[in-house]
Amino acid sequence: AQSVSQHNHHVILSEAASLELGCNYSYGGTVNLFWYVQYPGQHLQLLLKYFSGDPLVKGIKGFEAEFIKSKFSFNLRKPSVQWSDTAEYFCAVNEAGTYKYIFGTGTRLKVLA
Amino acid sequence: ETGVTQTPRHLVMGMTNKKSLKCEQHLGHNAMYWYKQSAKKPLELMFVYSLEERVENNSVPSRFSPECPNSSHLFLHLHTLQPEDSALYLCASSQPGQTNYGYTFGSGTRLTVV
Repeated sequence: AQSVSQHNHHVILSEAASLELGCNYSYGGTVNLFWYVQYPGQHLQLLLKYFSGDPLVKGIKGFEAEFIKSKFSFNLRKPSVQWSDTAEYFCAVNEAGTYKYIFGTGTRLKVLA
Repeated sequence: ETGVTQTPRHLVMGMTNKKSLKCEQHLGHNAMYWYKQSAKKPLELMFVYSLEERVENNSVPSRFSPECPNSSHLFLHLHTLQPEDSALYLCASSQPGQTNYGYTFGSGTRLTVV
């Protein structure tokens, strides 16, 4: 069965530190890849997405993610985090052309001011 | 607002009650979803509707009953729930296809079963 793994469940960083959150998936077909963010008390919102083309995608608020097909990974990065990045981050994989999305368990990021 | 509106935002119900959750979108999307979000668990897909037809039902107990009367509205009818059903229930919509733009989520209904 398809699955999505987010290895870091809780991450604590100081402001200005660099961030990398891991996401690995298990599915051999064509996929669309997403990162969603959920700020405290708010709804899930799309951070960035990958369909095809350049494997390095840029999203909102300075986030980027790199799709490495050979590693089945789609890691999220930000060079310098801010206190306002404190949130929960979810990786999701969609089998292209289907309704099926699989979400990871999420990573709670806390950024210390 | 995200374009997907869920009501109520909070709901407390007894195990013998019957209640309904409502979701509404006017984004022109043709697929709508119910997800359950529990602490320390991945988001669980419950139901998928495409063009008002249920296309996926992920082994959800019959005490949850979805209804999609049109492409803009989705309901989740609840009856005789258990305390372990307490969770955040999220509605989402999308326009699926090969160039999928992801979901638009609602803010959720926080359900507490007592």
